[in-house]
Amino acid sequence: KAGVTQTPRYLIKTRGQQVTLSCSPISGHRSVSWYQQTPGQGLQFLFEYFSETQRNKGNFPGRFSGRQFSNSRSEMNVSTLELGDSALYLCASSLATPTDTQYFGPGTRLTVL
Amino acid sequence: TQLLEQSPQFLSIQEGENLTVYCNSSSVFSSLQWYRQEPGEGPVLLVTVVTGGEVKKLKRLTFQFGDARKDSSLHITAAQPGDTGLYLCAGEGSNYKLTFGKGTLLTVNP
Repeated sequence: KAGVTQTPRYLIKTRGQQVTLSCSPISGHRSVSWYQQTPGQGLQFLFEYFSETQRNKGNFPGRFSGRQFSNSRSEMNVSTLELGDSALYLCASSLATPTDTQYFGPGTRLTVL
Repeated sequence: TQLLEQSPQFLSIQEGENLTVYCNSSSVFSSLQWYRQEPGEGPVLLVTVVTGGEVKKLKRLTFQFGDARKDSSLHITAAQPGDTGLYLCAGEGSNYKLTFGKGTLLTVNP
Protein backbone atom coordinates (compact mmCIF):
# COMPACT_ATOMS: atom_id res chain seq x y z
CA LYS A 1 0.00 0.00 0.00
CA ALA A 2 1.46 3.35 -1.02
CA GLY A 3 2.25 5.78 1.78
CA VAL A 4 1.37 9.44 2.13
CA THR A 5 2.96 11.51 -0.59
CA GLN A 6 3.65 15.23 -0.49
CA THR A 7 4.67 17.50 -3.32
CA PRO A 8 6.87 19.32 -3.78
CA ARG A 9 9.53 18.08 -1.34
CA TYR A 10 11.44 21.36 -1.37
CA LEU A 11 10.36 24.89 -2.15
CA ILE A 12 12.06 28.29 -2.07
CA LYS A 13 9.93 31.41 -2.15
CA THR A 14 10.39 35.09 -1.39
CA ARG A 15 8.47 37.21 1.07
CA GLY A 16 5.04 38.26 -0.13
CA GLN A 17 4.58 35.34 -2.49
CA GLN A 18 2.06 32.59 -2.01
CA VAL A 19 2.53 28.84 -2.07
CA THR A 20 0.38 25.73 -2.47
CA LEU A 21 1.41 22.37 -1.05
CA SER A 22 -0.18 19.07 -1.97
CA CYS A 23 -0.83 15.89 -0.02
CA SER A 24 -2.10 12.52 -1.27
CA PRO A 25 -3.28 10.33 1.62
CA ILE A 26 -3.18 6.57 1.86
CA SER A 27 -5.97 5.01 -0.14
CA GLY A 28 -9.11 4.69 2.00
CA HIS A 29 -8.04 7.31 4.52
CA ARG A 30 -10.51 10.14 4.86
CA SER A 31 -8.88 12.30 7.54
CA VAL A 32 -5.99 14.54 6.52
CA SER A 33 -4.14 16.75 8.98
CA TRP A 34 -1.50 19.38 8.35
CA TYR A 35 1.30 20.36 10.72
CA GLN A 36 4.08 22.93 10.73
CA GLN A 37 7.40 21.82 12.23
CA THR A 38 10.12 24.28 13.26
CA PRO A 39 13.12 23.83 15.58
CA GLY A 40 11.81 26.44 17.99
CA GLN A 41 8.12 25.56 18.19
CA GLY A 42 8.16 21.87 17.35
CA LEU A 43 5.22 20.28 15.60
CA GLN A 44 2.17 22.54 15.55
CA PHE A 45 -1.27 21.60 14.29
CA LEU A 46 -2.59 23.67 11.38
CA PHE A 47 -5.90 22.04 10.43
CA GLU A 48 -7.65 18.76 9.79
CA TYR A 49 -10.04 17.82 7.00
CA PHE A 50 -12.56 15.02 6.84
CA SER A 51 -14.90 14.39 3.94
CA GLU A 52 -13.99 17.72 2.32
CA THR A 53 -14.84 19.68 5.49
CA GLN A 54 -12.45 21.40 7.85
CA ARG A 55 -13.13 19.69 11.14
CA ASN A 56 -10.45 21.32 13.31
CA LYS A 57 -8.21 24.33 13.09
CA GLY A 58 -5.09 25.32 15.00
CA ASN A 59 -4.00 28.79 16.04
CA PHE A 60 -2.56 30.07 12.81
CA PRO A 61 -3.44 33.30 10.97
CA GLY A 62 -5.89 33.35 8.10
CA ARG A 63 -3.00 33.41 5.61
CA PHE A 64 -2.93 29.65 6.12
CA SER A 65 -5.78 27.84 4.44
CA GLY A 66 -6.52 24.43 3.08
CA ARG A 67 -9.01 22.27 1.31
CA GLN A 68 -9.78 18.63 0.67
CA PHE A 69 -11.09 17.13 -2.52
CA SER A 70 -13.60 14.32 -3.00
CA ASN A 71 -10.76 11.79 -3.44
CA SER A 72 -9.39 12.89 -0.02
CA ARG A 73 -6.36 14.58 -1.54
CA SER A 74 -5.62 17.82 0.24
CA GLU A 75 -3.88 21.10 -0.44
CA MET A 76 -2.75 23.84 1.85
CA ASN A 77 -2.08 27.40 0.80
CA VAL A 78 -0.04 30.10 2.47
CA SER A 79 -0.48 33.63 1.16
CA THR A 80 1.73 36.68 1.69
CA LEU A 81 4.66 34.59 2.86
CA GLU A 82 6.75 35.80 5.79
CA LEU A 83 10.27 34.76 6.78
CA GLY A 84 8.83 32.99 9.82
CA ASP A 85 6.85 30.66 7.58
CA SER A 86 10.04 28.79 6.75
CA ALA A 87 9.42 25.31 8.10
CA LEU A 88 8.79 21.67 7.34
CA TYR A 89 5.12 21.19 6.50
CA LEU A 90 3.88 17.71 7.28
CA CYS A 91 0.72 16.04 6.15
CA ALA A 92 -0.74 13.01 7.93
CA SER A 93 -3.61 10.75 7.00
CA SER A 94 -5.73 8.36 9.04
CA LEU A 95 -8.86 6.32 8.53
CA ALA A 96 -11.33 8.59 10.28
CA THR A 97 -9.80 10.73 13.05
CA PRO A 98 -6.28 12.03 13.85
CA THR A 99 -6.30 9.87 16.96
CA ASP A 100 -6.49 6.75 14.82
CA THR A 101 -3.07 5.66 13.65
CA GLN A 102 -1.73 8.62 11.70
CA TYR A 103 0.66 8.08 8.82
CA PHE A 104 2.88 11.02 8.03
CA GLY A 105 4.31 12.00 4.68
CA PRO A 106 7.96 13.05 4.33
CA GLY A 107 7.02 16.73 4.39
CA THR A 108 7.61 19.77 2.23
CA ARG A 109 10.58 21.91 3.24
CA LEU A 110 9.61 25.56 2.60
CA THR A 111 12.25 28.25 2.71
CA VAL A 112 11.16 31.88 2.54
CA LEU A 113 13.87 34.38 1.57
CA THR B 1 -4.46 25.44 25.76
CA GLN B 2 -3.00 22.02 26.51
CA LEU B 3 0.81 21.87 26.59
CA LEU B 4 3.19 18.93 26.65
CA GLU B 5 6.69 19.39 28.00
CA GLN B 6 9.32 16.88 26.94
CA SER B 7 12.63 16.36 28.69
CA PRO B 8 15.42 16.23 28.10
CA GLN B 9 15.49 18.24 24.90
CA PHE B 10 18.75 16.62 23.78
CA LEU B 11 20.35 13.33 24.79
CA SER B 12 23.63 11.87 23.56
CA ILE B 13 24.62 8.45 24.89
CA GLN B 14 26.84 5.49 24.08
CA GLU B 15 25.57 2.28 22.58
CA GLY B 16 24.39 -0.11 25.29
CA GLU B 17 23.28 2.54 27.78
CA ASN B 18 19.74 2.88 29.10
CA LEU B 19 17.73 6.09 28.93
CA THR B 20 14.36 7.56 29.85
CA VAL B 21 12.50 10.36 28.11
CA TYR B 22 9.67 12.21 29.84
CA CYS B 23 6.49 13.85 28.62
CA ASN B 24 4.61 15.97 31.17
CA SER B 25 1.50 18.13 31.23
CA SER B 26 -0.85 19.78 33.67
CA SER B 27 -3.75 18.62 31.48
CA VAL B 28 -5.45 15.25 31.29
CA PHE B 29 -5.34 13.46 27.97
CA SER B 30 -7.63 10.74 26.66
CA SER B 31 -4.66 8.96 25.18
CA LEU B 32 -1.02 9.60 24.46
CA GLN B 33 1.02 8.65 21.43
CA TRP B 34 4.78 8.31 20.97
CA TYR B 35 6.45 8.85 17.61
CA ARG B 36 9.99 8.62 16.27
CA GLN B 37 11.13 10.87 13.46
CA GLU B 38 14.31 10.34 11.46
CA PRO B 39 15.99 13.05 9.37
CA GLY B 40 14.17 13.76 6.12
CA GLU B 41 11.13 11.74 7.09
CA GLY B 42 7.81 12.26 8.83
CA PRO B 43 7.14 10.91 12.33
CA VAL B 44 6.26 7.24 12.66
CA LEU B 45 3.86 6.09 15.37
CA LEU B 46 5.48 3.77 17.93
CA VAL B 47 2.67 3.24 20.42
CA THR B 48 -0.59 4.61 21.81
CA VAL B 49 -1.35 4.36 25.54
CA VAL B 50 -4.91 4.85 26.68
CA THR B 51 -5.42 3.70 30.27
CA GLY B 52 -3.90 5.45 33.29
CA GLY B 53 -1.03 3.34 34.64
CA GLU B 54 -0.76 1.39 31.39
CA VAL B 55 2.63 -0.04 30.45
CA LYS B 56 3.41 -1.19 26.91
CA LYS B 57 6.57 -2.83 25.67
CA LEU B 58 7.94 -2.78 22.16
CA LYS B 59 11.13 -4.86 22.11
CA ARG B 60 13.65 -2.72 24.04
CA LEU B 61 11.24 0.21 24.42
CA THR B 62 8.91 0.51 27.43
CA PHE B 63 6.15 3.12 27.48
CA GLN B 64 4.22 4.13 30.57
CA PHE B 65 1.13 6.33 30.95
CA GLY B 66 0.78 8.07 34.29
CA ASP B 67 -2.04 7.10 36.62
CA ALA B 68 -3.63 10.53 36.22
CA ARG B 69 -3.12 10.48 32.42
CA LYS B 70 -1.11 13.71 32.55
CA ASP B 71 2.34 12.30 31.91
CA SER B 72 4.17 9.53 30.17
CA SER B 73 7.66 8.11 29.88
CA LEU B 74 9.64 6.17 27.32
CA HIS B 75 12.47 3.94 28.54
CA ILE B 76 14.97 2.41 26.13
CA THR B 77 17.14 -0.47 27.31
CA ALA B 78 20.55 -1.11 25.77
CA ALA B 79 20.25 1.67 23.19
CA GLN B 80 21.55 1.04 19.69
CA PRO B 81 22.62 3.50 16.96
CA GLY B 82 19.42 2.62 15.10
CA ASP B 83 17.44 4.21 17.96
CA THR B 84 18.81 7.62 16.99
CA GLY B 85 16.07 10.09 16.13
CA LEU B 86 13.61 12.67 17.40
CA TYR B 87 11.11 11.21 19.86
CA LEU B 88 7.79 13.02 20.04
CA CYS B 89 4.87 12.57 22.38
CA ALA B 90 1.36 13.69 21.42
CA GLY B 91 -1.68 13.92 23.67
CA GLU B 92 -5.26 13.54 22.56
CA GLY B 93 -7.49 16.34 23.76
CA SER B 94 -11.08 17.11 22.96
CA ASN B 95 -12.52 16.70 19.48
CA TYR B 96 -9.69 14.45 18.22
CA LYS B 97 -7.11 17.23 18.55
CA LEU B 98 -3.52 16.14 19.07
CA THR B 99 -1.02 18.31 20.94
CA PHE B 100 2.64 17.51 20.32
CA GLY B 101 5.60 18.05 22.58
CA LYS B 102 8.71 19.67 21.10
CA GLY B 103 10.56 16.38 21.15
CA THR B 104 13.71 14.79 22.50
CA LEU B 105 16.59 14.46 20.05
CA LEU B 106 18.40 11.23 20.86
CA THR B 107 21.84 10.37 19.49
CA VAL B 108 23.26 6.92 20.20
CA ASN B 109 26.97 6.76 19.47
CA PRO B 110 28.57 3.44 18.44
